[in-house]
Amino acid sequence: DTAVSQTPKYLVTQMGNDKSIKCEQNLGHDTMYWYKQDSKKFLKIMFSYNNKELIINETVPNRFSPKSPDKAHLNLHINSLELGDSAVYFCASSPIRTYNEQFFGPGTRLTVL
Amino acid sequence: QKEVEQNSGPLSVPEGAIASLNCTYSDRGSQSFFWYRQYSGKSPELIMFIYSNGDKEDGRFTAQLNKASQYVSLLIRDSQPSDSATYLCAVQGAQKLVFGQGTRLTINP
Repeated sequence: DTAVSQTPKYLVTQMGNDKSIKCEQNLGHDTMYWYKQDSKKFLKIMFSYNNKELIINETVPNRFSPKSPDKAHLNLHINSLELGDSAVYFCASSPIRTYNEQFFGPGTRLTVL
Repeated sequence: QKEVEQNSGPLSVPEGAIASLNCTYSDRGSQSFFWYRQYSGKSPELIMFIYSNGDKEDGRFTAQLNKASQYVSLLIRDSQPSDSATYLCAVQGAQKLVFGQGTRLTINP
């Protein structure tokens, strides 16, 4: 069984479009995260939610909006896509309040043309 | 100064040798340290964590921590071609992990 899943795996779109990435975990974890990994492999946290409550909101443009309908799901919506948004986006989860041992989803490779 | 620094490599090691990966961090208050392995095109996976000064061994992997020097390392003994990957050092920050830029390791048969 997949522990942390993301859809879609690949996303190719034009500048200015709006797109969403979905994430689900079946590990029973309370904390979920979104990371962005750029072309140089630098992995940077964007958001984290603990049991549907926003815990971390790093300096990310307002065009990025996370939504957590329940503690097993954390979606990422991106408005008005820009070229610089091209990256791999990883969802992750961890047990409650440990923030440590994180389990990552397979990633979504977003390409903005 | 970056919060977590690693040599981006690439680091090339012959098969069977010891691979040594290093990481320094800036926050003296950090208590937990992690090594993630990321194969090309795949997601990061946790391979080691260490909380106390000294060494921690798990199979062919040894993590070393020196909080006074703000230094973490990962040793891989008897390196195998399957160890070729990018290794990410991560340090616990305020309610989050802060990752280094990763070291690309290549094991040559």
